[in-house]
Amino acid sequence: GIQVEQSPPDLILQEGANSTLRCNFSDSVNNLQWFHQNPWGQLINLFYIPSGTKQNGRLSATTVATERYSLLYISSSQTTDSGVYFCAVDIQANAGGTSYGKLTFGQGTILTVHP
Amino acid sequence: DADVTQTPRNRITKTGKRIMLECSQTKGHDRMYWYRQDPGLGLRLIYYSFDVKDINKGEISDGYSVSRQAQAKFSLSLESAIPNQTALYFCATQRGSGNTIYFGEGSWLTVV
Repeated sequence: GIQVEQSPPDLILQEGANSTLRCNFSDSVNNLQWFHQNPWGQLINLFYIPSGTKQNGRLSATTVATERYSLLYISSSQTTDSGVYFCAVDIQANAGGTSYGKLTFGQGTILTVHP
Repeated sequence: DADVTQTPRNRITKTGKRIMLECSQTKGHDRMYWYRQDPGLGLRLIYYSFDVKDINKGEISDGYSVSRQAQAKFSLSLESAIPNQTALYFCATQRGSGNTIYFGEGSWLTVV
């Protein structure tokens, strides 16, 4: 099956710093999403980004589908950004682009932002 | 109110007991999923359903069963709970192929 690798596994920042999280995947994808899991376990949708670039406030994401990676940028980090960031992908089932509809998750990046 | 609601949110049960986790959604999505998360790990797919008459096994379906009672409802059952089924369980929904998948708030299950 598809392999999803995230790096780094752990990241410790001082408040105000910028960071880049990476997600590599081993097959063509129909869907790629970034999630933030907060300390209470809730999964928060950040981006649906199978290709291209999107921005939402201090967060932005870029997926280069042809090179099979995605990047999540966090600028001016805040303590509330702490938690686990997951990348999840859904591979293409056929040449027409239909997906299997099943997300495969990476292992996550644990982000800790200190005040 | 949440668009994807899971009940119960927390449950402690004994080994051998049957337990059901319920999921309901108001998003009108056709696809529904059950995932499991173990500490320090990503989510793994248990079962998924693309419509009311469609049920499919995911990568870790052993020991679980599901029922899609209606388009808006998808329940997960542990017929005879065992301690290694202690985990955080998530329900999710999706409108068709290639669209954003939305997760519920999770159900913490502890089997003692």
